[in-house]
Amino acid sequence: DVKVTQSSRYLVKRTGEKVFLECVQDMDHENMFWYRQDPGLGLRLIYFSYDVKMKEKGDIPEGYSVSREKKERFSLILESASTNQTSMYLCASSSPGQGISGNTIYFGEGSWLTVV
Amino acid sequence: GQNIDQPTEMTATEGAIVQINCTYQTSGFNGLFWYQQHAGEAPTFLSYNVLDGLEEKGRFSSFLSRSKGYSYLLLKELQMKDSASYLCAVRGGGANNLFFGTGTRLTVIP
Repeated sequence: DVKVTQSSRYLVKRTGEKVFLECVQDMDHENMFWYRQDPGLGLRLIYFSYDVKMKEKGDIPEGYSVSREKKERFSLILESASTNQTSMYLCASSSPGQGISGNTIYFGEGSWLTVV
Repeated sequence: GQNIDQPTEMTATEGAIVQINCTYQTSGFNGLFWYQQHAGEAPTFLSYNVLDGLEEKGRFSSFLSRSKGYSYLLLKELQMKDSASYLCAVRGGGANNLFFGTGTRLTVIP
């Protein structure tokens, strides 16, 4: 089974703190993603990466950055956390290609971040 | 851009059938997914449609009409454990990413 592991399940941080959310996948997937999920807004893509050291902005990249130094690890960074970044953050991975195996995204368990 | 619409909430009775609709507008369509998400948990993959028609997988079926920009998820013989949010997601756009609807929260009642 594909396993996507997010390092922290629940975090509480203060406004202005730097926050790291770590994600590791064990299926040698090229593609990795960070989403945030908010009530009434659904899942929104923050950043994604198609390869090591590559990153692309998603729909809502402002206030976030990412790092992909190794294929299995994709980190989300909040340089200076703000209260409007309180949310659930979901990491995901997939392999490239066509068809169901190449398109299915597998999610981690989620990280609940509260910024006070 | 992408636009995905699905009802916010639905309620159905245990043992019944329920259909959750999804309409979408996207450029470069490359597949439609349905995910199930229980409260406080990650979404899990249910189904994938890229061609028109019905895909059946046990109690769950998913239908796609690309010309109408329409899909539905059909759940048969509803069980209490089917109470969850159901997310419609479309793959498309220039970067071929996955775009999610806001989800339909289904409540199954006895």
